[in-house]
Amino acid sequence: NAGVTQTPKFRVLKTGQSMTLLCAQDMNHEYMYWYRQDPGMGLRLIHYSVGEGTTAKGEVPDGYNVSRLKKQNFLLGLESAAPSQTSVYFCASSYRVGHPQSTDTQYFGPGTRLTVL
Amino acid sequence: GQQLNQSPQSMFIQEGEDVSMNCTSSSIFNTWLWYKQEPGEGPVLLIALYKAGELTSNGRLTAQFGITRKDSFLNISASIPSDVGIYFCAGSILTGNQFYFGTGTSLTVIP
Repeated sequence: NAGVTQTPKFRVLKTGQSMTLLCAQDMNHEYMYWYRQDPGMGLRLIHYSVGEGTTAKGEVPDGYNVSRLKKQNFLLGLESAAPSQTSVYFCASSYRVGHPQSTDTQYFGPGTRLTVL
Repeated sequence: GQQLNQSPQSMFIQEGEDVSMNCTSSSIFNTWLWYKQEPGEGPVLLIALYKAGELTSNGRLTAQFGITRKDSFLNISASIPSDVGIYFCAGSILTGNQFYFGTGTSLTVIP
């Protein structure tokens, strides 16, 4: 069991460039989440998904898009990167409400450190 | 978004001392979680709380779900150097829905 994996681990972009961050989980979790972590701000939810083909906005969705074409993958896209998007990005996953093993807990990936110049 | 105030922001303690930190929210939460994050890693779940007044332990760690449902507490007894890291609280209003995170408590243990 690899748990939650994220690629890439590090990336440097120039303003205006685009990129996609990939999150994969092998725990058969229904829910997946993308967070950003900035110094002194804790973790803030960008977008989340409660199932394949569905996504929803979180607390700070502007400038990001997501897709959940397969249950095990959740992609985070930046269409036109800005310096304000320099951050560490974490993906997380969890079981759905009512699942026999549901404990409302989220399992996190190791993070992607993104710098936008 | 919801505001979670976590305190203290940082702590420097001697090995063997006990540690206490807390988290308060402006809203009533149904679930409280406590995570630990080490440098270069993602947060790792320590304790999950689902009921007001609930007291749960995980080794030397004990967490409580406040009676008002607007706060939670984490205690670490007899700290050791490997306790170093940033501790985050997280709460959710609706089961399975969005979690809101505190700003973290940075713990340094001096041998």
